[in-house]
Amino acid sequence: NSKVIQTPRYLVKGQGQKAKMRCIPEKGHPVVFWYQQNKNNEFKFLINFQNQEVLQQIDMTEKRFSAECPSNSPCSLEIQSSEAGDSALYLCASSLPQGANTEVFFGKGTRLTVV
Amino acid sequence: AQKVTQTQTSISVMEKTTVTMDCVYETQDSSYFLFWYKQTASGEIVFLIRQDSYKKENATVGHYSLNFQKPKSSIGLIITATQIEDSAVYFCAMREVSNYNVLYFGSGTKLTVEP
Repeated sequence: NSKVIQTPRYLVKGQGQKAKMRCIPEKGHPVVFWYQQNKNNEFKFLINFQNQEVLQQIDMTEKRFSAECPSNSPCSLEIQSSEAGDSALYLCASSLPQGANTEVFFGKGTRLTVV
Repeated sequence: AQKVTQTQTSISVMEKTTVTMDCVYETQDSSYFLFWYKQTASGEIVFLIRQDSYKKENATVGHYSLNFQKPKSSIGLIITATQIEDSAVYFCAMREVSNYNVLYFGSGTKLTVEP
């Protein structure tokens, strides 16, 4: 069973409001990913970190989202100004750094609804 | 461009039968890793099985096995002796070392196991 902890499980925000969600990766996992899953089940990669460093992020994340993984604190993903299209399931995942063959474990997600 | 494609939107089978779910992928990497996950009704994403591209033997874990056809860029998931609790959405995913280990997902296949 995955030990990636995401909070809150549900988040409701008005358009233009900030939306912040947190993730505690599995112990010993320095690589953290954030994905957005829409209502059609499609996964969109947002950003990943190794320790505190960003490895890769998409344009949307760079412009409207802010994310960090400080040492000794939960990782976080924040949408600066929520839009209706941001309503989705936000998934945090973590893995070991030994290369691409290591499994990625997911948290249960934060379901964001922008009203 | 879509890197991972699952063409079967949904499948329905009777309990205790065998089901195969299809997945094709595209990559320029010589070494890559393929995964299958399932997402339960509660939204939880569970890792099932992994295939390393450099291995010729098909991976098997419990009642899950893979049909890896590298020349066709195909990685099918086979579930034998299906159970009601196997009902879920199944996702195929690929991880490329050259792409910051980002996991790319297919669009999922919804499996319903009928009693």
